[in-house]
Amino acid sequence: AQSVTQPDIHITVSEGASLELRCNYSYGATPYLFWYVQSPGQGLQLLLKYFSGDTLVQGIKGFEAEFKRSQSSFNLRKPSVHWSDAAEYFCAVGYGGSQGNLIFGKGTKLSVKP
Amino acid sequence: DAGITQSPRHKVTETGTPVTLRCHQTENHRYMYWYRQDPGHGLRLIHYSYGVKDTDKGEVSDGYSVSRSKTEDFLLTLESATSSQTSVYFCAGAGGPGDEQYFGPGTRLTVT
Repeated sequence: AQSVTQPDIHITVSEGASLELRCNYSYGATPYLFWYVQSPGQGLQLLLKYFSGDTLVQGIKGFEAEFKRSQSSFNLRKPSVHWSDAAEYFCAVGYGGSQGNLIFGKGTKLSVKP
Repeated sequence: DAGITQSPRHKVTETGTPVTLRCHQTENHRYMYWYRQDPGHGLRLIHYSYGVKDTDKGEVSDGYSVSRSKTEDFLLTLESATSSQTSVYFCAGAGGPGDEQYFGPGTRLTVT
């Protein structure tokens, strides 16, 4: 069965430091890949998505993610974290023939130290 | 996304009562989804719809039913609420399979 793993439940970084959030998926073919962000008490907002083509994807708020087929990974990165980036981040995977259903990872909560 | 609203935003109900949550969208999304979010579980799909009157089950559909009589509205019903259904419920919409999903603000449901 398809699955998504976010190995880090909680990460703390200092403001201005770089960030990488990990996401691994289990699926035989190339899936659709997404990163969402959720601020406390809010719904989910799409940060970026990968369908095909260039494996380095740029998103909103200065985030980027790189699809690595050989590692079945889609890690999210940001070169310099701002205090407002503190939130929970979810990786999601979709695949052809699934009626668009997404499988979500369990999330990584990001805390930012001043 | 302001195009998807959910009502009510908060609800407390008693075990054994039926509950209906409403999702309304103004974006003409063909696909709509209901998820529940619980600590340590991320988001899990309850039911989804791929058109008016076309619905199917998701991963955690037991105890839930849905209806979609028009494009704009997708209703989630808990037939007889249980404490295990205390959760935050999110509705989402998408134009087609594989498209990004746009989420509503969520409904916090507490079953006592």
